[in-house]
Amino acid sequence: QVDLVESGGGMVQPGTSLRLSCAASGFTFASHGMHWVRQAPGKGLQWVSAISSDGNDKYYVDSVKGRFTISRDNSKNTLYLQMNSLRTEDTAVYYCARGLITARQYFDYWGQGALVTVSS
Amino acid sequence: DIQMTQSPSTLSASVGDRVTITCRASQSISDWLAWYQQKPGKAPKLLIYKASSLESGVPSRFSGSGSGTEFTLAISSLQPDDFATYYCQQYNSYPLTFGQGTRLVIK
Repeated sequence: QVDLVESGGGMVQPGTSLRLSCAASGFTFASHGMHWVRQAPGKGLQWVSAISSDGNDKYYVDSVKGRFTISRDNSKNTLYLQMNSLRTEDTAVYYCARGLITARQYFDYWGQGALVTVSS
Repeated sequence: DIQMTQSPSTLSASVGDRVTITCRASQSISDWLAWYQQKPGKAPKLLIYKASSLESGVPSRFSGSGSGTEFTLAISSLQPDDFATYYCQQYNSYPLTFGQGTRLVIK
C-alpha cells in the first residue's frame, strides 16, 4: 500500500533553516509528481511546492519563493523540502502528498504530517 | 492566482440530512477540481476529482458536480462519520489553491 512518512520537523528560531524529508513506499515514486502542502494551526490548507516526476520542473507559492527549495531523490524514493530564512508565519503542519502521473495534479495520498514551529 | 471561495464556512446538519457545499473559482477551471475531507489531527482524504469522479473506496453518498467556475459537493444522507471539514482545490494551474474550508457540524 502507498505510504508517505515525513520527518525533520521541529522547533526553530526565525531566520534559521530546516529540511523536511518524505519517504515514499508502495508505488513507483519516479512516476509521480510530488507536493508539499501546509496547514497553520487552526487554519486551512495551503499548497506550498511541487516537483515533477523527473525533478526538472518545480513550482512554489509566492510566499516561499527564494526561501524554500523542493527536491527529490528517485533512487531513494524520497522527497525533500529545504526551508531557509524561516519566519513565524511558516509555522504549520507540513504534509507530503502524492500527485498524479499526468500533468494535472491533485493529491490522492497524503503523509501524516510534520510539525514545524518557528518561534523565538 | 485563482481564488477559490467556499460557502458556507460552517454548516450545521443532522444525521440523515442531505447537504451541499459550494465552491466558486475566480476564473474558469474547466472541471479541474478536487474535494477533500479532513478530520481533526488527520491528513486530508481525497473524495472527488475532476469535479464529479468519485475516488475509489469513497461511499456513493458523496457526489460532485459543476464546471467552469461553480462547483458543488453533495452528501446525500449524512452519517456520523461525515462530520468533518471539507476543502475544494483547483488544479487547473499553478499555484494550486484551496478553498478556505467548510466545517460540517452536528445540529
